[in-house]
Amino acid sequence: AQSVAQPEDQVNVAEGNPLTVKCTYSVSGNPYLFWYVQYPNRGLQFLLKYITGDNLVKGSYGFEAEFNKSQTSFHLKKPSALVSDSALYFCAVRDRGSTLGRLYFGRGTQLTVWP
Amino acid sequence: DADVTQTPRNRITKTGKRIMLECSQTKGHDRMYWYRQDPGLGLRLIYYSFDVKDINKGEISDGYSVSRQAQAKFSLSLESAIPNQTALYFCATSDPNPSGTGGTDTQYFGPGTRLTVL
Repeated sequence: AQSVAQPEDQVNVAEGNPLTVKCTYSVSGNPYLFWYVQYPNRGLQFLLKYITGDNLVKGSYGFEAEFNKSQTSFHLKKPSALVSDSALYFCAVRDRGSTLGRLYFGRGTQLTVWP
Repeated sequence: DADVTQTPRNRITKTGKRIMLECSQTKGHDRMYWYRQDPGLGLRLIYYSFDVKDINKGEISDGYSVSRQAQAKFSLSLESAIPNQTALYFCATSDPNPSGTGGTDTQYFGPGTRLTVL
């Protein structure tokens, strides 16, 4: 069965500090992994994805994520947080062996960046 | 994403009423999805459609129905709304074979419809 865990409901960091939003996953095959961000009163926006190759994936707004197969993790990172990064972040996984295109989402992590 | 639009953006209704939420897209994608979002639960899939003639139930389809009127339009109906269907509803689209993306079927979301059932 496919599932995604985001162990932290909330992450608080000071502006200028590095941030990490954690994600672990479980899939029956090999994964495609995604991060989405949701700003207040907006839909989900695609941030980045892991397909294959380099374990460090770079995405929009200076975010990056590191795929770790042995730990089944795909943590989202940013070297220097901005107040405008405050939003709800979702990790999602898809089994690349599936033709259904079905995404499984984590419950979300609320990121708050303090000025 | 402005390429995926949802109407209405907000709706308040009463128990037992029939409600239709509409989704339109200009991305030219064949695949469309309906999700609901509840606080602390993430997104859960209600229905999905891979083309106009193909509609499939997701994990929480009970109490909902859908219609794929055209490639660009996918509507969600609540035949008889109940309070526990109060949620934020999202439509999404994807293309399973876009060039340059490795066929990952990345989904793109509309702005959402906030539905309150009293």
